[in-house]
Amino acid sequence: KAGVTQTPRYLIKTRGQQVTLSCSPISGHRSVSWYQQTPGQGLQFLFEYFSETQRNKGNFPGRFSGRQFSNSRSEMNVSTLELGDSALYLCASRPGTGGVWDTEAFFGQGTRLTVV
Amino acid sequence: AQSVTQLGSHVSVSEGALVLLRCNYSSSVPPYLFWYVQYPNQGLQLLLKYTSAATLVKGINGFEAEFKKSETSFHLTKPSAHMSDAAEYFCAVSVQKLVFGQGTRLTINP
Repeated sequence: KAGVTQTPRYLIKTRGQQVTLSCSPISGHRSVSWYQQTPGQGLQFLFEYFSETQRNKGNFPGRFSGRQFSNSRSEMNVSTLELGDSALYLCASRPGTGGVWDTEAFFGQGTRLTVV
Repeated sequence: AQSVTQLGSHVSVSEGALVLLRCNYSSSVPPYLFWYVQYPNQGLQLLLKYTSAATLVKGINGFEAEFKKSETSFHLTKPSAHMSDAAEYFCAVSVQKLVFGQGTRLTINP
């Protein structure tokens, strides 16, 4: 069974640009979540999607958005990039249908975004 | 609100020595607790999870953790460290999302 696939692995963007990151969950998993990892702030929850609906959202500005397609694949978009958006963005999928996280989340290898 | 505190951002042990990584949680409801490991330039891999079935949880690669409600702790241990254990370790608590601790970088000295 293929794992969680994130593309691209590395990105370099300029301030003010926008970027779209992609995540393909494990087959059969309907929940996809996104996390931002930085040395200063650690791992922070961005949002979770389930059956194409955003189920939960972290404390990030509106420049960060996401969506999920009918095949459970997910994309996140960051508009008007700032230097502080440089981070490793991790996607996680899980099989659980409930809102409670009682099941393991499987993580992708991440997309390393550098904003210059 | 749930939160996690990992004591020690950096732990260094000798190969063959006991590994102890500390995690304390705060949760207003019975928590689900996880330990993840991250190798350089990789995502997170689950080591073990506590979901109230048993207080002593065994995971992969010889790691285990004990849930102690009275101490609100979920410390990770391994009896004998191996060089391949060098990585960053994250404790996480969940209710409706995963909330991670700041991580502990484990270094193994030969």
